[in-house]
Amino acid sequence: DQQVKQNSPSLSVQEGRISILNCDYTNSMFDYFLWYKKYPAEGPTFLISISSIKDKNEDGRFTVFLNKSAKHLSLHIVPSQPGDSAVYFCAASEFTGNTPLVFGKGTRLSVIA
Amino acid sequence: EAGVAQSPRYKIIEKRQSVAFWCNPISGHATLYWYQQILGQGPKLLIQFQNNGVVDDSQLPKDRFSAERLKGVDSTLKIQPAKLEDSAVYLCASSRHYEQYFGPGTRLTVT
Repeated sequence: DQQVKQNSPSLSVQEGRISILNCDYTNSMFDYFLWYKKYPAEGPTFLISISSIKDKNEDGRFTVFLNKSAKHLSLHIVPSQPGDSAVYFCAASEFTGNTPLVFGKGTRLSVIA
Repeated sequence: EAGVAQSPRYKIIEKRQSVAFWCNPISGHATLYWYQQILGQGPKLLIQFQNNGVVDDSQLPKDRFSAERLKGVDSTLKIQPAKLEDSAVYLCASSRHYEQYFGPGTRLTVT
């Protein structure tokens, strides 16, 4: 049973436009959410996170939105750059700090110049 | 700050053989994780260590997988005997508090 779902396997966006990656979860005990970015032959790299007490967190071009009632979060990248092309994983955990992450299957983002 | 180190990066073995992977976490990170990532899937936790003690190994196939963390620092993950379905990338991660930092992974192919 997939507790974290990323229903779009891939997404193509033009350079300079907004990229929106979506993630849904089923476990209401999740209270900490993270996005990781993965290039080929490398491990996932932490991008941005959000605690369940917030509904938005921003870091430069990256913003994560959390809608707890809908059990949905999204990652916005504005403006998108070719170097953003990678696989993006949504992850969640039940507690903040030193607990295992449950990952979605990932969304492959292609930013076209 | 050096990142999480893993070796080997690639390994090809035949089914029923054994294999071992090594991980050196970021200095000072007490928590260490091993994840298995099958092609097309997200990483799935195999085992979590806090210092040299096991916190969670509920998803580790203990009939063939074993792991240890020496002196609360380096860790090894072993598979014996390997099956075809063990073909995957094995990722090691470490954390001090919240975010987990991943190594480059070991790609295992079982033929």
